[in-house]
Amino acid sequence: AQSVTQLDSQVPVFEEAPVELRCNYSSSVSVYLFWYVQYPNQGLQLLLKYLSGSTLVKGINGFEAEFNKSQTSFHLRKPSVHISDTAEYFCAVTEPGGGNKLTFGTGTQLKVEL
Amino acid sequence: DGGITQSPKYLFRKEGQNVTLSCEQNLNHDAMYWYRQDPGQGLRLIYYSQIVNDFQKGDIAEGYSVSREKKESFPLTVTSAQKNPTAFYLCASSARRGTRGLEKLFFGSGTQLSVL
Repeated sequence: AQSVTQLDSQVPVFEEAPVELRCNYSSSVSVYLFWYVQYPNQGLQLLLKYLSGSTLVKGINGFEAEFNKSQTSFHLRKPSVHISDTAEYFCAVTEPGGGNKLTFGTGTQLKVEL
Repeated sequence: DGGITQSPKYLFRKEGQNVTLSCEQNLNHDAMYWYRQDPGQGLRLIYYSQIVNDFQKGDIAEGYSVSREKKESFPLTVTSAQKNPTAFYLCASSARRGTRGLEKLFFGSGTQLSVL
């Protein structure tokens, strides 16, 4: 069975600074990886996903993530954050053939300050 | 506009009572899902349905029940057997599997259930 670890429960950062949100996974087979964002009192929206191919994946709102198989990581990055990026970010994983049965991490609260 | 509608936004349950959370989608999606979100625990899958009249248990199905009589509707009942029902409940849907066997999840805006 697969699992996801998001070590940072909260990440404070100043506006226009870069940010990295960490995600590590474990699985006995190959994986598909996702980042979702949740704004307060709302559902989740897909930011980006890695299925295969290039290990650097670009998503919406200027976010990108890099799949690193040797380190079993899929960290999310943005070179310059904005106040509107304040939200909770979830990393998720599924295995080929697992359909859309995603296993989510515990989330990282990104707080962007002026 | 197409999307997923969850109602009510807030719901209160009395001791021993069953309550039903509504989830409706007009995206013509085949698959629908229910997740429970607790602070610091992320999302956990309760039930999912890949097609009408069929559904499967997720990781934490005990104390919950669902039905899928119509493609656009996937109501979740929180029964009295669920001893710790206070949580934020999220419904999601996705299209039929594409060639990659994986489609994007679309989420509703959630229902906060609390116990009186």
